[in-house]
Amino acid sequence: SYVLTQPPSVSVAPGETAEITCGGDNIGGRSAHWYQQRPGQAPVVVMQYDNDRPSGIPERFSGSNSGNTATLTISRVEAGDEADYYCQVWDSGSHRVFGGGTKLTVL
Amino acid sequence: QITLKESGPALVKPTQTLTLTCTFSGFSLSSAPVGVGWIRQPPGKALEWLALIYWGDDERYSPSLKSKLTVIKDTSKNQVVLTMTNMGPDDTATYYCAHANGYNSAFDVWGQGTMVTVSS
Repeated sequence: SYVLTQPPSVSVAPGETAEITCGGDNIGGRSAHWYQQRPGQAPVVVMQYDNDRPSGIPERFSGSNSGNTATLTISRVEAGDEADYYCQVWDSGSHRVFGGGTKLTVL
Repeated sequence: QITLKESGPALVKPTQTLTLTCTFSGFSLSSAPVGVGWIRQPPGKALEWLALIYWGDDERYSPSLKSKLTVIKDTSKNQVVLTMTNMGPDDTATYYCAHANGYNSAFDVWGQGTMVTVSS
């Protein structure tokens, strides 16, 4: 089955840029989606189809996907961005796969 | 406005079968290309996709859990039901249902989740 690899944690100071990666075999050939999950809450999609921001998501969030890595970039990081972030793609047969999640800490 | 809400038992015994219901509003599960998926999250761990059913009764299951899972829909009640057999301690998790707008789309709206504990 398809495996997605995320770094367990990323730390960044307020105002800086955070990059959260999601590695997978030729992930660039698939559409990647990203979810933000704050403690005790359900996930919320923050990026879909690699680089499409859903309505209501700040422009500070952007995405890219090429080769073996998809990336979620958060510019001008704020304290409220502190959360767990998960990438997700579809596997053969339209099965869904989630990455292991990355905890973003705002220093 | 799309909303989903999970319901079911908070506690099940080992070997029992879990039945969870997702009741939704704001969309029809008889209209293409809509789907409703189930995702779970053990305490302190990552999200895990379980199953998804589409408007045309097309069902997809996690390969690793396929033998334990069944998902059905009742379009007249706006509900999707997930059953999971032979529950074990590793199945203790928060279970979410979520809306998808296509075969390869994101889960764009999620329910609040329901915590299920497996214990004797």
